[in-house]
Amino acid sequence: KQEVTQIPAALSVPEGENLVLNCSFTDSAIYNLQWFRQDPGKGLTSLLLIQSSQREQTSGRLNASLDKSSGRSTLYIAASQPGDSATYLCAVGEGRRALTFGSGTRLQVQP
Amino acid sequence: NAGVTQTPKFQVLKTGQSMTLQCAQDMNHNSMYWYRQDPGMGLRLIYYSASEGTTDKGEVPNGYNVSRLNKREFSLRLESAAPSQTSVYFCASGRTSGGARASDTQYFGPGTRLTVL
Repeated sequence: KQEVTQIPAALSVPEGENLVLNCSFTDSAIYNLQWFRQDPGKGLTSLLLIQSSQREQTSGRLNASLDKSSGRSTLYIAASQPGDSATYLCAVGEGRRALTFGSGTRLQVQP
Repeated sequence: NAGVTQTPKFQVLKTGQSMTLQCAQDMNHNSMYWYRQDPGMGLRLIYYSASEGTTDKGEVPNGYNVSRLNKREFSLRLESAAPSQTSVYFCASGRTSGGARASDTQYFGPGTRLTVL
């Protein structure tokens, strides 16, 4: 059974700092990996999708990498802003089921 | 486009009552999903539908039934609600590529917050 772990569970940084969120998964036979953002009391917004054949994806200040062989992904956020404060969820997509989610990293960026 | 819509937004039930959560998407996606989110546990898949007319169990299907009414709509029914079903329920949809059942980017609704007393 796939298990997805996100470390750290919570993170607080000053504005402007670059930061890395980590995600690990136990079964490397995945189709894709997605990073989502969730604001308090809201639904999920997809940030980046990496197919299994890709190594990384970039969108603006966000860069996500994927290393299937080691079962790891990182989400890099450059020049963090208070508006980046949210919970970030990592999820892996497999062949027969939908997404398996990690429990998230709660990020707070302090002005 | 409204994306993925869910009704109701909030609901309080008594143990043993039944209810149906509604979900609709206007993106012409073939795959739809129901998840529940509990504190500290991330999201867990309840049921999914890879295409109109098909449904499959996810990780935590017990106590739930689903119906893929048409391509747009996917409902989740609690026949006899229990306090353990207190949670936030999310519906999602996505476009499935080729023969894979795992879809590309999934789009989520705003969620239904359900409390069972």
